[in-house]
Amino acid sequence: GAVVSQHPSRVICKSGTSVKIECRSLDFQATTMFWYRQFPKKSLMLMATSNEGSKATYEQGVEKDKFLINHASLTLSTLTVTSAHPEDSSFYICSARVTGSSGNTIYFGEGSWLTVV
Amino acid sequence: RKEVEQDPGPFNVPEGATVAFNCTYSNSASQSFFWYRQDCRKEPKLLMSVYSSGNEDGRFTAQLNRASQYISLLIRDSKLSDSATYLCVVSDRSNDYKLSFGAGTTVTVRA
Repeated sequence: GAVVSQHPSRVICKSGTSVKIECRSLDFQATTMFWYRQFPKKSLMLMATSNEGSKATYEQGVEKDKFLINHASLTLSTLTVTSAHPEDSSFYICSARVTGSSGNTIYFGEGSWLTVV
Repeated sequence: RKEVEQDPGPFNVPEGATVAFNCTYSNSASQSFFWYRQDCRKEPKLLMSVYSSGNEDGRFTAQLNRASQYISLLIRDSKLSDSATYLCVVSDRSNDYKLSFGAGTTVTVRA
């Protein structure tokens, strides 16, 4: 099964409303999770690094007041798209890093398709 | 200049053919390299890590050329199920292991 679970997989919302996407690590603790956005036929773009118990680190050009990230526990990070607009429609994916004996492995959630109408 | 650049393709090949493509990266401090596979409208999944000496995993062979800052992926005996977009991913350990993604190379294997 998936090591990282993301929910919802698809969501349609009205323009101006807020949408929350959850990312959960299953069977392991993730002190750091990453949030990406991918537009059609484009590469995944890192939006922010979510750190458990502290503020997220946002990439340049990403509005932290619009994309609220909360990492309240070692197994859950949430991304809230506030006051969503049609241009926010995209594929949002989270990932978590697992550190093991062979190094670091990145696991992705299944992704969330957001459509803002 | 993009951090990671890939030929978008598509590479259309018949079953059983060999297909190979490259990816270049701009950050000379990059330390970890991966190939991910992404199926349409799905999340990326790790295909293989790329080691300095090159490595094989079944029909897949990855190579790293640090001097020229590129990595390659070769698929032998292509299967229909190999049809996907292959993402080149580079990580900078000194930057908290952030991953930089290429836009992907699309491979279509036809019967």
